[in-house]
Amino acid sequence: ETGVTQSPTHLIKTRGQQVTLRCSSQSGHNTVSWYQQALGQGPQFIFQYYREEENGRGNFPPRFSGLQFPNYSSELNVNALELDDSALYLCASSFDRTTDTQYFGPGTRLTVL
Amino acid sequence: QQQVKQSPQSLIVQKGGISIINCAYENTAFDYFPWYQQFPGKGPALLIAIRPDVSEKKEGRFTISFNKSAKQFSLHIMDSQPGDSATYFCAPKTNGAQKLVFGQGTRLTINP
Repeated sequence: ETGVTQSPTHLIKTRGQQVTLRCSSQSGHNTVSWYQQALGQGPQFIFQYYREEENGRGNFPPRFSGLQFPNYSSELNVNALELDDSALYLCASSFDRTTDTQYFGPGTRLTVL
Repeated sequence: QQQVKQSPQSLIVQKGGISIINCAYENTAFDYFPWYQQFPGKGPALLIAIRPDVSEKKEGRFTISFNKSAKQFSLHIMDSQPGDSATYFCAPKTNGAQKLVFGQGTRLTINP
């Protein structure tokens, strides 16, 4: 059984660009959540996907969007990057949307210059 | 609004001592109370969790104590080891909700 994996590990972009981050959920899990963790802060919920549909969203603007694929892997897309988007982006998978326990990947460190 | 408040922000404990981290919350609808451990460069990992129908749960050296009336729960690490040095987050959740609500984190350092 493999855990949650994310790619890439690190990414550097410039302001105004677009970025796509990828996540493979743990085997047998159909729900993926994305979080943003600014330096020195706790993670903040961006949104969750369940069976390819968005299933809840945090307080993030529409330029943050996502996808979930039939194999339950997921993408996070951020358009029109801003300096404040620099953060660690974490993906977490859970067995089902009603399951409390979420298993986190190692994250993608995004730096916006 | 700050729904979840952790204390202290940082903590230094000698090897073999007891580390205690507290979490205060406002939302009385929370019904799942986990603690996550995060090492530098890694994602958070679930350490231990409790439901409000019990006041204490112990797993090895880690214990959660839950006080529903005070809206607080705490993590106790007994016989703290240098390998426990990490950042700890409380992250309660309501039943059926999608998100974990993380605290600001507590940076724990165990001195050898």
